[in-house]
Amino acid sequence: KQEVTQIPAALSVPEGENLVLNCSFTDSAIYNLQWFRQDPGKGLTSLLLIQSSQREQTSGRLNASLDKSSGRSTLYIAASQPGDSATYLCAVHTGGFKTIFGAGTRLFVKA
Amino acid sequence: NAGVTQTPKFQVLKTGQSMTLQCAQDMNHEYMSWYRQDPGMGLRLIHYSVGAGITDQGEVPNGYNVSRSTTEDFPLRLLSAAPSQTSVYFCASRSTADTQYFGPGTRLTVL
Repeated sequence: KQEVTQIPAALSVPEGENLVLNCSFTDSAIYNLQWFRQDPGKGLTSLLLIQSSQREQTSGRLNASLDKSSGRSTLYIAASQPGDSATYLCAVHTGGFKTIFGAGTRLFVKA
Repeated sequence: NAGVTQTPKFQVLKTGQSMTLQCAQDMNHEYMSWYRQDPGMGLRLIHYSVGAGITDQGEVPNGYNVSRSTTEDFPLRLLSAAPSQTSVYFCASRSTADTQYFGPGTRLTVL
């Protein structure tokens, strides 16, 4: 059974710091992996989608990597800003129309 | 494009009552799904649909029914509400490029 784990559960950093959020999954037979952002009381916003054949995806200050063999993905945020404060979730699409979510990392960027 | 819309935003029910959570999307996506989000547990798939007239169970389907009569709409019915169904419910649709789009959520409290 696929399990997705995100560590740490919460993270507080000063503004301007570069940071890495981690996501691990137990079964490497994935279709793709998606990173989301969730603001308090809101829905999820897609940040980056990495297909199983890709190693990384970039969007602005965000870079997501995927290492299927080790069951790991990282989300790198450069030059963090207070507006980046949110919960970040990773989700693994295992095929068969099933998506498994991690519990998320709650990020707080201090001004 | 309104994207994915959900109604109501908030709902309080008494144990044993029934209700329908509405979900609609205007992106012509074939795949739609319902998730519930509970603290510390991430999102869990309740039901999903791969097209009009086709639905299937997800990870936690008990106590919920769905139907898909049109591409646009995917309502979720609670048959007899229980306190364990207190949660935030999200509807999502998925494009052919695999990116998932989420609605703003419905916060449900069952007393």
